[in-house]
Amino acid sequence: GAGVSQSPSNKVTEKGKDVELRCDPISGHTALYWYRQSLGQGLEFLIYFQGNSAPDKSGLPSDRFSAERTGGSVSTLTIQRTQQEDSAVYLCASTPGHEKLFFGSGTQLSVL
Amino acid sequence: GENVEQHPSTLSVQEGDSAVIKCTYSDSASNYFPWYKQELGKRPQLIIDIRSNVGEKKDQRIAVTLNKTAKHFSLHITETQPEDSAVYFCAASTGTASKLTFGTGTRLQVTL
Repeated sequence: GAGVSQSPSNKVTEKGKDVELRCDPISGHTALYWYRQSLGQGLEFLIYFQGNSAPDKSGLPSDRFSAERTGGSVSTLTIQRTQQEDSAVYLCASTPGHEKLFFGSGTQLSVL
Repeated sequence: GENVEQHPSTLSVQEGDSAVIKCTYSDSASNYFPWYKQELGKRPQLIIDIRSNVGEKKDQRIAVTLNKTAKHFSLHITETQPEDSAVYFCAASTGTASKLTFGTGTRLQVTL
């Protein structure tokens, strides 16, 4: 079956613009995670959804970052007024409820 | 919150040698410890995991050990092969439907 799908795969934007990143999890997976991976760095937790609710938003770096999940499926991560330090790969992962995460291939965000 | 430290950041071994990567965690409530492998340009994938009621787990050439008292766990790869070259991430969580905190990663290079 289809894996976790993320779009776009690459996004180049100008500083100050808003961007939306989309994650389509594996069908039936109840939990969804967003992580950020800067060049050569580890996986930085951003936010996690259980169904449509977000019990843990502790990783969002600033109020410019927000995320939502609708219908227990698709999630959108929005970054407002992008800054150069937002440049990174944004990874989405889903899980059916046990701990194994299935990652998408990520969105490479470049802020010029 | 949980803090996971991982060492070394880079590791170079000759083909056929063993490789060991170590991680420590801070939250004594953590009970699930997976390891993910990320090949260059690809998404992270789970290679092995261990729960706190088990001290060691093996899967062919890879094994993971856990010391709950000391709060550390390690990944052991024996008879390394060039295809083992990748970045390896350890992680910890308090179980189902909670966030997974990752270490900063170890870049393993297996040379011929």
